[in-house]
Amino acid sequence: SSELTQDPAVSVALGQTVRITCQGDSLRSYYASWYQQKPGQAPVLVIYGKNNRPSGIPDRFSGSSSGNTASLTITGAQAEDEADYYCNSRDSSGNHCVVFGGGTKLTVL
Amino acid sequence: QLQLQESGSGLVKPSQTLSLTCAVSGGSISSGGYSWSWIRQPPGKGLEWIGYIYHSGSTYYNPSLKSRVTISVDRSKNQFSLKLSSVTAADTAVYYCASRSDYGDYVYAFDIWGQGTMVTVSS
Repeated sequence: SSELTQDPAVSVALGQTVRITCQGDSLRSYYASWYQQKPGQAPVLVIYGKNNRPSGIPDRFSGSSSGNTASLTITGAQAEDEADYYCNSRDSSGNHCVVFGGGTKLTVL
Repeated sequence: QLQLQESGSGLVKPSQTLSLTCAVSGGSISSGGYSWSWIRQPPGKGLEWIGYIYHSGSTYYNPSLKSRVTISVDRSKNQFSLKLSSVTAADTAVYYCASRSDYGDYVYAFDIWGQGTMVTVSS
């Protein structure tokens, strides 16, 4: 099994750019996917693959990756972006398992 | 547009079996290109992957839960199910069903989620 590590909390001023990171050995082999979760709601996929956004996700959300670190960038953060963000990927052990990061609480100031 | 809806018992006694169902609408559960997953979230904590089943019937489970988990598909009802045996208070969580489109072996993205259902383990 492998693990994905995220910073527990990050803050950003309204309209500024913020990067949320996810680290883990599995990210050397597999892409991270990113989810936004607001209180009392189910997670919503915001980024998958190299840098793909599902329909309806604003283009201020983007993804990137380098080595064992994947990043979710929000360019021009809005008040409605305040949420928990989770990354996930396939486990690197080769057994088709999935692993999630612990989540990052984003506060928009 | 695919939609998922969980249902099942919201209260389970310790040592008993938790049973949940996820109804699929807007598409066929037998369609290739999807896998069907269960993910849970204990109160105030992060997401934990439980397992998934491919349209072929192959299943993959979280190693930490594998001995207690069964995921199955009922094609006649267009739904899939989760059974978790020998539950304890640590299994108290919101349980989500989710689908994963086939983006290839290098992308594991859950693109459609149910609204989630709270399951409490208590006597």
